[in-house]
Amino acid sequence: DQQVKQNSPSLSVQEGRISILNCDYTNSMFDYFLWYKKYPAEGPTFLISISSIKDKNEDGRFTVFLNKSAKHLSLHIVPSQPGDSAVYFCAASAHGSGNTGKLIFGQGTTLQVKP
Amino acid sequence: KAGVTQTPRYLIKTRGQQVTLSCSPISGHRSVSWYQQTPGQGLQFLFEYFSETQRNKGNFPGRFSGRQFSNSRSEMNVSTLELGDSALYLCASSLLTGGPEDTQYFGPGTRLTVL
Repeated sequence: DQQVKQNSPSLSVQEGRISILNCDYTNSMFDYFLWYKKYPAEGPTFLISISSIKDKNEDGRFTVFLNKSAKHLSLHIVPSQPGDSAVYFCAASAHGSGNTGKLIFGQGTTLQVKP
Repeated sequence: KAGVTQTPRYLIKTRGQQVTLSCSPISGHRSVSWYQQTPGQGLQFLFEYFSETQRNKGNFPGRFSGRQFSNSRSEMNVSTLELGDSALYLCASSLLTGGPEDTQYFGPGTRLTVL
């Protein structure tokens, strides 16, 4: 049972344009969502997060949107840069006993930003 | 502030052997989580430690174990290695403020190859 899904394995965009990465989840107990960027053979790097009480969070070029009713979140990168090319993972957590320290990850989306 | 460090970065073992991986969290972080990343299963939660206690465990066999020391450093051990244990093992630490918004920061990982 895959609780966090990233249905697009890959995305290609032109430099300067917007990149939109999508993530769907099934567990309504998730209350915190994160996006990580990852290069091969390296650990994930934290990008941005959002609490379930919010519907938007911005940090520089990165904005995350949360639609709780649709159980959907998205990461917008504007403008996209070649250095953004990496695998992006969506992750979710549910606060409460039995869930401590546990992130559920999507399968990742490979973003390629072309110069 | 130094990030999460993991040693060794690369390991080659043969089937049936055991292996110990080490993780030093960010200074002040008391929660350490471990994950396994494989091409087929993605990023999967192994276990989480806080104050030298395992508080949460993922769906892995008993061959996977861990511990945490009083300085929050953590080790994970895999006994009787199998070919399928070849993976990138990632450690993450978090401050654990007690609220749902606890961001995990990842180390570079240990690449384990089982021959």
